[in-house]
Amino acid sequence: AQKVTQAQTEISVVEKEDVTLDCVYETRDTTYYLFWYKQPPSGELVFLIRRNSFDEQNEISGRYSWNFQKSTSSFNFTITASQVVDSAVYFCALSPGYSSASKIIFGSGTRLSIRP
Amino acid sequence: GAVVSQHPSWVICKSGTSVKIECRSLDFQATTMFWYRQFPKQSLMLMATSNEGSKATYEQGVEKDKFLINHASLTLSTLTVTSAHPEDSSFYICSARDNGVQDGYTFGSGTRLTVV
Repeated sequence: AQKVTQAQTEISVVEKEDVTLDCVYETRDTTYYLFWYKQPPSGELVFLIRRNSFDEQNEISGRYSWNFQKSTSSFNFTITASQVVDSAVYFCALSPGYSSASKIIFGSGTRLSIRP
Repeated sequence: GAVVSQHPSWVICKSGTSVKIECRSLDFQATTMFWYRQFPKQSLMLMATSNEGSKATYEQGVEKDKFLINHASLTLSTLTVTSAHPEDSSFYICSARDNGVQDGYTFGSGTRLTVV
């Protein structure tokens, strides 16, 4: 079964705090992609990162960082020094396999609110 | 970069009428496109996988006679919601697979459908 679990439905923090969004996935495939997307109130999906299953190296991009651990099937996302503009719904997603027909399976999303 | 154009961005229709949503890849060819539906404060749920020149593959529980998908060319997929009812009101997003972009998938900006 393919599944993505985001246990945190909503998170609210004060600006400048660090916040971590959790993501746990399930798949029997040995090759797969993991993603994080941001969805602001306007609705469009903003791509943040893609990781393939063979690349467990953590990644940092500005205030964003990702921790991929295959041993725990987790792909967590941390925002450092959060800002009000980070307020959005964040989706973790999984795409099993590398073919062009591989679909993306989304987690239920975490609504992040950053208070000034 | 790759762009997927989705139209209309919003539509209001009367109950019982049909609505067509277009998803067009502007600078790349997409043999496969995906259609998602998102109810308020919920995740994106895959409805169907659209395959150029062949029948779409629907996810379990999605009525193929109600949600007609046509993928007649390598750059255009359409979703027609037939005999729409208020419960079909939702946010519909299409996606196309493109190995030329960083995340491998490009999403349309979505269509907000309201059936009155």
